[in-house]
Amino acid sequence: DQQVKQNSPSLSVQEGRISILNCDYTNSMFDYFLWYKKYPAEGPTFLISISSIKDKNEDGRFTVFLNKSAKHLSLHIVPSQPGDSAVYFCAASAGTGANNLFFGTGTRLTVIP
Amino acid sequence: EAGVTQSPTHLIKTRGQQATLRCSPISGHTSVYWYQQALGLGLQFLLWYDEGEERNRGNFPPRFSGRQFPNYSSELNVNALELEDSALYLCASSQIRDRVTFGDGTRLSIL
Repeated sequence: DQQVKQNSPSLSVQEGRISILNCDYTNSMFDYFLWYKKYPAEGPTFLISISSIKDKNEDGRFTVFLNKSAKHLSLHIVPSQPGDSAVYFCAASAGTGANNLFFGTGTRLTVIP
Repeated sequence: EAGVTQSPTHLIKTRGQQATLRCSPISGHTSVYWYQQALGLGLQFLLWYDEGEERNRGNFPPRFSGRQFPNYSSELNVNALELEDSALYLCASSQIRDRVTFGDGTRLSIL
C-alpha cells in the first residue's frame, strides 16, 4: 500500500519557467515531509523539508507547499534550470528515524534549454 | 567530510547465489539504513541498524539480513537470490531528524 504517491512519472518544462511537482499522501499521522533529488548513478540528495506546523517553506529557487486538509504537498522550482533535470522523490514521516520515511515513486523532471 | 560510501558499484549474480553489499556511514553517524529501489517503485525501507543492533526491518523476507560492525559500517546480505531482487540498493545515514544522507548505491543484477 503506497502511502506516498507521485502520480506524474515525468514532467517537462522550458528553462526559466516554473516546475511544479506534486505529491499526495494518505496517512494523517505524517508530520514531516521532505523532497529529495536524484541524478543518474548517484544516491538521492536532500533538497528541502517542511514540518506539518507550516504550510510553506522556501529555500532559494525551491519552495514546498503543504496542504494538510488535502493531504497534498508540492515542490515549486522557479526559475527552472537545465541542471534541475533529475528524478524528484517526496517522502513523509510520522516519527523520528529514517525507518519511518515513506517515499513516493518519483517524478522525472526534464528542463528543456 | 566523506559521504556515505557503498561497494561494490555493480554486482552481477545468478539465481540462488548470495550477495553481500557494504556501506560506510558518514563519520560520527551511528545509524545506517538500507533501502531498495526496484524498477518503477519508490525507495522501500529494508533495515535500520544503530549502535550495532538491528532496530527495525521493512516488509522483506528473512533472506534479507545484515549487520553493523563496531566501526558503524554495515553489510547487507541477500541469500537465495531471486530475479525480483534485481534493484538499486541504497545505504544511508542520518544527520537530523529523518534527513538521511544517501550513498550512490549498489546496482544488483540477477541473471
